[in-house]
Amino acid sequence: DGGITQSPKYLFRKEGQNVTLSCEQNLNHDAMYWYRQDPGQGLRLIYYSQIVNDFQKGDIAEGYSVSREKKESFPLTVTSAQKNPTAFYLCASSKTGPFYEQYFGPGTRLTVT
Amino acid sequence: DQQVKQNSPSLSVQEGRISILNCDYTNSMFDYFLWYKKYPAEGPTFLISISSIKDKNEDGRFTVFLNKSAKHLSLHIVPSQPGDSAVYFCAASAGGNTGKLIFGQGTTLQVKP
Repeated sequence: DGGITQSPKYLFRKEGQNVTLSCEQNLNHDAMYWYRQDPGQGLRLIYYSQIVNDFQKGDIAEGYSVSREKKESFPLTVTSAQKNPTAFYLCASSKTGPFYEQYFGPGTRLTVT
Repeated sequence: DQQVKQNSPSLSVQEGRISILNCDYTNSMFDYFLWYKKYPAEGPTFLISISSIKDKNEDGRFTVFLNKSAKHLSLHIVPSQPGDSAVYFCAASAGGNTGKLIFGQGTTLQVKP
């Protein structure tokens, strides 16, 4: 069964700690994306990667970092520099190029207190 | 600056009737539009898309209409079913090879039995 997995589903951290969210896909997609969703808002792009070992900042990259060492994996680190880290984080993947839909994982709810 | 807007936060319709969800955009460079459906605490699911060379695309109960001159698209669901109750997001792409999508804020659809 092809798809995108994100783990864990729920994550709790203390303020000041870095935390890494996992995203794995077996769809053989080159492109991967990280979004953040806050209540009543749409999805906002954090980072994206179109190919292994390359990634670009999205609209709200401050306080986040990513790596793309393998085609299947695109982990997101929420650093202590992120001012409002509590949110629902979504990972997606797609074929590279225009006119392709993105497929989303189930998401990770991060709560920082 | 919100480039993709869904001005109705919520919509309630009776089962069997038509649901019409609207989306406006400001960037004339957008050339590919998508609709996603999302249940709480889950990732969005792709529903239907349309490229800017078309004005209509149909898939079963779902039809998307695009009015480029008005920079407006709409999703029609006929007939509406209780299982359609979810948050619907429209998204737009400016093409190229990045695959980046800009999402609207979402509209919560409630279909009453």
